[in-house]
Amino acid sequence: EADIYQTPRYLVIGTGKKITLECSQTMGHDKMYWYQQDPGMELHLIHYSYGVNSTEKGDLSSESTVSRIRTEHFPLTLESARPSHTSQYLCASSELGTSGNTIYFGEGSWLTVV
Amino acid sequence: RKEVEQDPGPFNVPEGATVAFNCTYSNSASQSFFWYRQDCRKEPKLLMSVYSSGNEDGRFTAQLNRASQYISLLIRDSKLSDSATYLCVVNDRGSTLGRLYFGRGTQLTVWP
Repeated sequence: EADIYQTPRYLVIGTGKKITLECSQTMGHDKMYWYQQDPGMELHLIHYSYGVNSTEKGDLSSESTVSRIRTEHFPLTLESARPSHTSQYLCASSELGTSGNTIYFGEGSWLTVV
Repeated sequence: RKEVEQDPGPFNVPEGATVAFNCTYSNSASQSFFWYRQDCRKEPKLLMSVYSSGNEDGRFTAQLNRASQYISLLIRDSKLSDSATYLCVVNDRGSTLGRLYFGRGTQLTVWP
C-alpha cells in the first residue's frame, strides 16, 4: 500500500473561500504531483515538483498554487474558490530515478464549491 | 495530438471472455510504460509495468511494440472484479526529469 495521504477527503465550501488541500507522503519520494479529475473523465496534471523548493505548472491551467517546503509535504491552495473548481483532486508521488517511475496516488480530495 | 491515445470504450464483456485494450503514444523517445487500473471514484493504482519483451501477470498480458509506438493489455478469463477503467501511462524519456503521461482510460464492464 502507498503511504500517501490527503486531507480533507471531502469538502463543501462557499464561493470566495480560501482552501488548502493537504498532501503528505512518507516514502521519501522527490517527485510529487497534483492532478484534477472530474468523474468519468481523464486526469489532468495541474502542478508538479521535483523536490524541495521546486514547483512547476502542469498541462491544465489552474488558479491554484502549490508549495514544497518539505520533501514529504505538497499542499495545494485555492485563494478564492469558485463553483468551476468543483472536482476531485488527486495527489501523487514517485521516486526521482529512472527505475522508480511508478507513481502512487492518494485517495483524493473531493471538493464541492457552492 | 495527445501524448497518449486510448479507445475510451466502454467494453462490455461476459465473465470468462478475453478482452484486449490498445494504446498508442506519440513520443518515440518514451522509455517506460505502465497500465494502471482505476475503480469508480477511487484513485488509480499500478496494474503492471510493460517491458520490451512483453510480460505476463496471471491473467494479464502486456505487450509493447516500439516500432509502431503501441502498447496493449490482454485480460483472459475476465472476472466481475475486473470491471474498472484501465489507464495507459507513458514516461516521455528516461531521464530523472521524465514526465508521466496518462491516457484518458478504457472503461471495462464484465457482466455475469
